[in-house]
Amino acid sequence: DLVMTQSPVSLPVTPGEPASISCRSSRSLLHGRGDNYLDWYLQKPGQSPQLLIFLGSNRASGVPDRFTGSGSGTHFTLTIDKVEAGDVGVYYCMQALQTPNIFGQGTKLEI
Amino acid sequence: QVHLVQSQAEVKKPGSSVRVSCKTSEVTFKTYTLNWVRQAPGQGLEWMGRIVPTLNDARHDRKFEGRLAIFADTSTYTIHMDLSGLTSEDSATYFCARTNPTSYGGYDYWGPGTVVTVSS
Repeated sequence: DLVMTQSPVSLPVTPGEPASISCRSSRSLLHGRGDNYLDWYLQKPGQSPQLLIFLGSNRASGVPDRFTGSGSGTHFTLTIDKVEAGDVGVYYCMQALQTPNIFGQGTKLEI
Repeated sequence: QVHLVQSQAEVKKPGSSVRVSCKTSEVTFKTYTLNWVRQAPGQGLEWMGRIVPTLNDARHDRKFEGRLAIFADTSTYTIHMDLSGLTSEDSATYFCARTNPTSYGGYDYWGPGTVVTVSS
């Protein structure tokens, strides 16, 4: 199975400052059609996960443009332009190229 | 508005089985793939399996081989997940989440989760 590695595990941030999370895959997530099958999810405390980014860089409906997904192949990054208090929670990357879909271990964003 | 309605919390004995259900709309049932993801207390997310309801085509992580069944009820637009041989390690919140199989757009909607507690 693919292995997904996120870093850091914990990310203390200051409101208004940028934040960045890294996600690496043990194999390329680039599909033949040119899409990277990598998603980003945020799980706020006590809630179900919510989709932020799909196919590497596509923002989900309603997601602020402060959130940007980038990268290709085996290395991906989620960048939050200016962190807000409501952004706290655990961020997960997930490979969707093949089953089983595998999640990274998560990055806890703390203010 | 999309709603994935999940069954209520369960408390089970070790060695028993549990069924967790996820009721969808007709559109979701006929158009989307439904996935099962679980989360043990304080832990990360773990994909278990998925089903294309209209085809009753189910796949699961081989980790659950022999004890996980995922199937669809076309009369109620509901998918079910049966997990047998429960141990304390199966204590978790179980989520259903949908994906579009023809134009991938991530797991765009998630159910609220069903808490399963395995305890003697």
